[in-house]
Amino acid sequence: DVKVTQSSRYLVKRTGEKVFLECVQDMDHENMFWYRQDPGLGLRLIYFSYDVKMKEKGDIPEGYSVSREKKERFSLILESASTNQTSMYLCASTLAGKEHEQYFGPGTRLTVT
Amino acid sequence: ILNVEQSPQSLHVQEGDSTNFTCSFPSSNFYALHWYRWETAKSPEALFVMTLNGDEKKKGRISATLNTKEGYSYLYIKGSQPEDSATYLCALGTNAGKSTFGDGTTLTVKP
Repeated sequence: DVKVTQSSRYLVKRTGEKVFLECVQDMDHENMFWYRQDPGLGLRLIYFSYDVKMKEKGDIPEGYSVSREKKERFSLILESASTNQTSMYLCASTLAGKEHEQYFGPGTRLTVT
Repeated sequence: ILNVEQSPQSLHVQEGDSTNFTCSFPSSNFYALHWYRWETAKSPEALFVMTLNGDEKKKGRISATLNTKEGYSYLYIKGSQPEDSATYLCALGTNAGKSTFGDGTTLTVKP
């Protein structure tokens, strides 16, 4: 079974802090994605990556950056956390050619105070 | 940004009831549609992927249909059980590899 893990289930940070959310998958998937989920807004794509050191902006990249130094790891970075970034963050991965069969991590609920 | 709409937003049914919900999407340039089930405190898991107009998929008591010409998909649950309680997400895939998700339908099945 594909396993996608995220570094924390719950995280509380202060406004202005730099925040790292880590995602690791163990099935050699090429593609990785970061989403945020807010009530009434579904899952919105922040950034995705098709390969190591490659990144593409999703629908709501403002205020975020990403890093993919190794194939199995995709990091989401909040350079200066703000209260409107309080949300549930989900990481997903897929095989190349099967981009729509997404395997999700358990999510990180981030609260910025 | 593609517009994917799901209805209803939430649904409460009794155990044993059958139910269905809808996912609507732009019918032009259709590529693929996914349904996911997201249980509380768990990761979303894929239920079905559908790519062809008229596709019907079934997994146990859950089934889905797809109409790409009119831009909708239905998810049916026959004889709902409490363990079916979850949020059901549909996602429209593009040939660029990205998916656009609907807001989800949250189903609560009362014993």
